[in-house]
Amino acid sequence: DAGVTQSPTHLIKTRGQQVTLRCSPKSGHDTVSWYQQALGQGPQFIFQYYEEEERQRGNFPDRFSGHQFPNYSSELNVNALLLGDSALYLCASSMYGIPNYGYTFGSGTRLTVV
Amino acid sequence: SQQGEEDPQALSIQEGENATMNCSYKTSINNLQWYRQNSGRGLVHLILIRSNEREKHSGRLRVTLDTSKKSSSLLITASRAADTASYFCATVGAQKLVFGQGTRLTINP
Repeated sequence: DAGVTQSPTHLIKTRGQQVTLRCSPKSGHDTVSWYQQALGQGPQFIFQYYEEEERQRGNFPDRFSGHQFPNYSSELNVNALLLGDSALYLCASSMYGIPNYGYTFGSGTRLTVV
Repeated sequence: SQQGEEDPQALSIQEGENATMNCSYKTSINNLQWYRQNSGRGLVHLILIRSNEREKHSGRLRVTLDTSKKSSSLLITASRAADTASYFCATVGAQKLVFGQGTRLTINP
């Protein structure tokens, strides 16, 4: 049973560029959440997708956008990259509406902005 | 924003000793979860404790929850070198995880 798959593993981008990160959730999960983790910090919630709609959003600017596809996979897009966007981006899948349930995380995408 | 504080930020112990990490949070919760992260990789779910539970065990892990103090603790007994990692508590409210800043645990052989 495949867990959460994220691609690419590592990415280097230049300031001002745009980036797309991808996530395939665990089989049976219908909800995808994205987190940003700066070095030495805990993950911070970016947004959550369910039924192809953004259900919740954290305190991130509109440069961060996402999408969920009918097969539940998801993309995170970041426009006009800043040096401060350098971080580990984590995708977590879960089952919507079931609160007492552990989330499954992917291994993350390490984004470096130069 | 982060949910709260984790204490200590870093902990170094000898193999075989017990490790205790504490977590405080700010808002009402459905449950609280603990995760482990090895070397900046993905997070691994360790244990979940519901808001109406006070203590829970899983193997060498023991978690307590005090909702009146808005705090939780994770105890790892008989530590092993493989337990070296960062440990995060995360509260669940409105179907999203809110993480603390983590405790970096080092087990010395």
